[in-house]
Amino acid sequence: GAGVSQTPSNKVTEKGKYVELRCDPISGHTALYWYRQSLGQGPEFLIYFQGTGAADDSGLPNDRFFAVRPEGSVSTLKIQRTERGDSAVYLCASSLGSGISTDTQYFGPGTRLTVL
Amino acid sequence: AQSVTQLDSHVSVSEGTPVLLRCNYSSSYSPSLFWYVQHPNKGLQLLLKYTSAATLVKGINGFEAEFKKSETSFHLTKPSAHMSDAAEYFCVVRKNSGYALNFGKGTSLLVTP
Repeated sequence: GAGVSQTPSNKVTEKGKYVELRCDPISGHTALYWYRQSLGQGPEFLIYFQGTGAADDSGLPNDRFFAVRPEGSVSTLKIQRTERGDSAVYLCASSLGSGISTDTQYFGPGTRLTVL
Repeated sequence: AQSVTQLDSHVSVSEGTPVLLRCNYSSSYSPSLFWYVQHPNKGLQLLLKYTSAATLVKGINGFEAEFKKSETSFHLTKPSAHMSDAAEYFCVVRKNSGYALNFGKGTSLLVTP
């Protein structure tokens, strides 16, 4: 079946611009996660949705970052006033649920964001 | 807080020889631990998962890991390396709150002919 998909695969923008990154989770998965991976590092958690609500947004670095999941499926990560330090690969993952047998996270291929 | 330390940033082995990727964890209680693999230009793939059912966990592609509470370790092993195993490997622990994952810095595995 279809895995997690992310669009665009690459995004180049200028400092100060606004960007939106989209994630389509696996159908039926109720939990959705955003991570950010800088060059040479492991992914860092940003935000976790259970259904439509953000259950944990403790990883968002500042108020320029915001994410929504209005219908409990597709999610959009929004970054305002981009800075060069925002350049990274943004990863999305989804899981069937949050119990021990359903919490395996499946990752998308990522969106590579470059801020010039 | 839950965290992991991957003890080697790079490991190089010859094809057909054993693989050992080391990971130590820090946790205030019995953790959920994972190993993920990331091939170049591909998404993260789950290799295996430990959730206290058994201390020796078998994963895909011949990999396995053993949970050792006394050593706070969760090392990844494979008896015989294949060229296709060359990739970045991440040891991962679930964070204290919620269901977010906390990744190690990764170990780059190089397999030489």
